[in-house]
Amino acid sequence: QVQLQESGPGLVKPSGTLSLTCAVSGDSIGSYYWWSWARQPPGKGLEWIGEIYHTGSPNYNPSLKSRVTISVDKSKNHFSLNLSSVTAADTAVYYCMRGRDYSWGSWGQGTLVTVSS
Amino acid sequence: EIVLTQSPATLSLSPGERATLSCRASQSVSSTYLAWYQQKPGQAPGLLIYGASNRATGIPDRFSGSVSGTDFTLTISRLEPEDFAVYYCQHYGGSSFYTFGQGTKLEIK
Repeated sequence: QVQLQESGPGLVKPSGTLSLTCAVSGDSIGSYYWWSWARQPPGKGLEWIGEIYHTGSPNYNPSLKSRVTISVDKSKNHFSLNLSSVTAADTAVYYCMRGRDYSWGSWGQGTLVTVSS
Repeated sequence: EIVLTQSPATLSLSPGERATLSCRASQSVSSTYLAWYQQKPGQAPGLLIYGASNRATGIPDRFSGSVSGTDFTLTISRLEPEDFAVYYCQHYGGSSFYTFGQGTKLEIK
């Protein structure tokens, strides 16, 4: 049973960079899945941020592409999200997911990141 | 960009009743790329249906998905107390881009 666990600062200053890591257990990040990030502002709906395959280039939501970087660390069996130039609009619960067949069957519990000075 | 519109925004029903949730795509889409999720308060979403009509592992058979043209439907045949939650549809639109509907809240009447 795969488990995903997000970690990172819960508070980021405006104009700073949000950095999160998703630790994967119960599966290898080199397996045949895509590894993704999504977010959900408090009380609102879901937004896909981007994905990465262990051998390929990442893919990003066009609305966030200029600010997002997703990377994989096979040695640590985790993947990461960096979102630069954050504003209050980036305040959200951030989820990491494992996907295949154009959907995500496994999700982390989510971590709330607040952008505030 | 394909827009997914879910209706109704809120659905009030009683346990034992049948629930029908709709997700309409703004243009023709492949059913292969449509999924449904359930989200309970304070929890991450959980996959219910993928490929428009395939139940994910461990999902009870009271949940079913169907498609007619650009209209996708999630049906819960007989509501159990644990089914009251928010439901999202999600689509893969090609070029590695995913979108979600705005959600339908299924509440106890």
